[in-house]
Amino acid sequence: VQLVESGGGLVQPGGSLRLSCAASGFTFRDVSMTWVRQAPGKGLEWVANIKPDGYERYYADSVKGRFTISRDNAANSLYLQMNSLRGEDTAVYYCARRHSDSPSWSLFAYWGQGTLVTVSS
Amino acid sequence: DIVMTQFPDSLAVSLGERATINCKSSQSVLYSSNNKNYLAWYQQRAGQPPKLLIYWASTRESGVPDRFSGSGSGTNFTLTISSLQADDVALYFCQQYYNTPPTFGQGTKVEMK
Repeated sequence: VQLVESGGGLVQPGGSLRLSCAASGFTFRDVSMTWVRQAPGKGLEWVANIKPDGYERYYADSVKGRFTISRDNAANSLYLQMNSLRGEDTAVYYCARRHSDSPSWSLFAYWGQGTLVTVSS
Repeated sequence: DIVMTQFPDSLAVSLGERATINCKSSQSVLYSSNNKNYLAWYQQRAGQPPKLLIYWASTRESGVPDRFSGSGSGTNFTLTISSLQADDVALYFCQQYYNTPPTFGQGTKVEMK
């Protein structure tokens, strides 16, 4: 299993950014996928989750209405569209996948290396 | 949301000594229908993503050394490193996956004394 995030960078408050996660080594279309973030020097915060078919999506209250999670099963890719960005969105964003032996989508056995998003003027 | 609280925030342990990290959830994460605790532990070394160590509160992930063990049930959990190695210096997080949103403890920093 390999998860590789990209798309992070420096953006001004109020701006937008789109993160991508390229997945390989497993049948992507069969698995729920998740974004988790970590502010500098802080703990882990779940951001959003999307079911295999892409129709069911869940968001943390802190990003609801501003972020959109999506996926392209043909391209084995996960995305996070981030709009109306704020300083408190500054974090490393990780793409994560559930454990193979658990039906729980939120037991994260596989993580990417992360991509840093910095929101600052 | 279920609040996860870890203690201590940090601890310094001598090489070969035992390290114990505690985690308390604001409500039970024991699912009565299958008698499983939906509690995981992760290790995060500096500059690295989290790594799953323990799930179902006490099941060691494949490849994790047996000096790592998890225990507890309901709302109180413990991660024990029986004999600290240099490689174990890291941040450790507990996480509940009982319901949505999944939530993490604030982390415990383990250092070498």
